[in-house]
Amino acid sequence: EAGVAQSPRYKIIEKRQSVAFWCNPISGHATLYWYQQILGQGPKLLIQFQNNGVVDDSQLPKDRFSAERLKGVDSTLKIQPAKLEDSAVYLCASSLALAGPREQFFGPGTRLTVL
Amino acid sequence: AQSVTQLGSHVSVSEGALVLLRCNYSSSVPPYLFWYVQYPNQGLQLLLKYTSAATLVKGINGFEAEFKKSETSFHLTKPSAHMSDAAEYFCAVSNEAAGNKLTFGGGTRVLVKP
Repeated sequence: EAGVAQSPRYKIIEKRQSVAFWCNPISGHATLYWYQQILGQGPKLLIQFQNNGVVDDSQLPKDRFSAERLKGVDSTLKIQPAKLEDSAVYLCASSLALAGPREQFFGPGTRLTVL
Repeated sequence: AQSVTQLGSHVSVSEGALVLLRCNYSSSVPPYLFWYVQYPNQGLQLLLKYTSAATLVKGINGFEAEFKKSETSFHLTKPSAHMSDAAEYFCAVSNEAAGNKLTFGGGTRVLVKP
């Protein structure tokens, strides 16, 4: 079974530029998550999708971050414009369903450096 | 509201020695508890989870954790450390009321000395 795929693996940009990350979840997984992991900290949930609908985006900085999950499969996370404090690893995860203590499967992440 | 505190951001153990990683949680409703491991430049991998069944949970790679409600703890242990256990470990909590959203602790980095 293929795991969660993310690209790119690494990205370096200057502040005020824009950047986009892509995630392809495990086939059949209805729920998709984007996390931000700042160096030395645990992952923090940014947004949670159930199929193509947003379940929770309470911690997404909506003035600069946006995410979509067209057709309920792939997802993209965009930052525009980037700030220095956005430097982090962005992790995508997926699970079979929203209900119950379902295991979340994580991708390898995209490491973003903002200069 | 839910939260997780992991005591000790770094732990150093000798190969063959006991590994003990501490996790305390806060949850207003019965929690689900998880331990994840993260190797360098990789995503997180589930070690084990507690979902209100047996309080002693066995996971992969010889790890286990015990849920203690009275102490609001879910400490992770392994009797004998191996060099391959060097990684970062994260404790996480979720519950039905929070839509099963995972809240992670700050992580504990384990160094294994030969």
